[in-house]
Amino acid sequence: GESVGLHLPTLSVQEGDNSIINCAYSNSASDYFIWYKQESGKGPQFIIDIRSNMDKRQGQRVTVLLNKTVKHLSLQIAATQPGDSAVYFCAESISGNQFYFGTGTSLTVIP
Amino acid sequence: DSGVTQTPKHLITATGQRVTLRCSPRSGDLSVYWYQQSLDQGLQFLIHYYNGEERAKGNILERFSAQQFPDLHSELNLSSLELGDSALYFCASSVAGGATSTDTQYFGPGTRLTVL
Repeated sequence: GESVGLHLPTLSVQEGDNSIINCAYSNSASDYFIWYKQESGKGPQFIIDIRSNMDKRQGQRVTVLLNKTVKHLSLQIAATQPGDSAVYFCAESISGNQFYFGTGTSLTVIP
Repeated sequence: DSGVTQTPKHLITATGQRVTLRCSPRSGDLSVYWYQQSLDQGLQFLIHYYNGEERAKGNILERFSAQQFPDLHSELNLSSLELGDSALYFCASSVAGGATSTDTQYFGPGTRLTVL
């Protein structure tokens, strides 16, 4: 039969602009959230995480925001570079034992 | 390079067969997680082992099983393979097994399984 792939949301940004990638999570009991970056042909790579007792965490050029009221997570990438082009996944977890991933967002950076 | 190794890199087999995928975690990591990434279902958590003990199960079929050995490497066994089992299988490792600041999961390069 015909194979149907996931329809990934896509985001295109100009090099140097800021990117915002959004994610809705499903379980209000989730207490740990992670953003991963996956480049073509490679495994997911950890970017940043946040626990449910926080609403914001900053890393190098990245910021994660957590809104537990509406079960929403966002990843902000400052001064986006061509090397940031990849698929970005959010993941939710309860106590770090099971992890559930979103479908991913494909980010393309236009030089 | 994450420090997590997976073998084989590619595996082609037929329906009904059984295969074993191997994962060696980063040195010092006690937890191993297995994931399946397919075109139509994205990245799915299968199972988590911590220091040899099963810690959590996700969407793992009864035809699939896993174990973690005393040297902390892990194997994922897939049996009675079906066409729909074709996917990328990733393992990841972390230092511990809970939601602490040190529990970053490091993913291996994956094993691409093709069932014909």
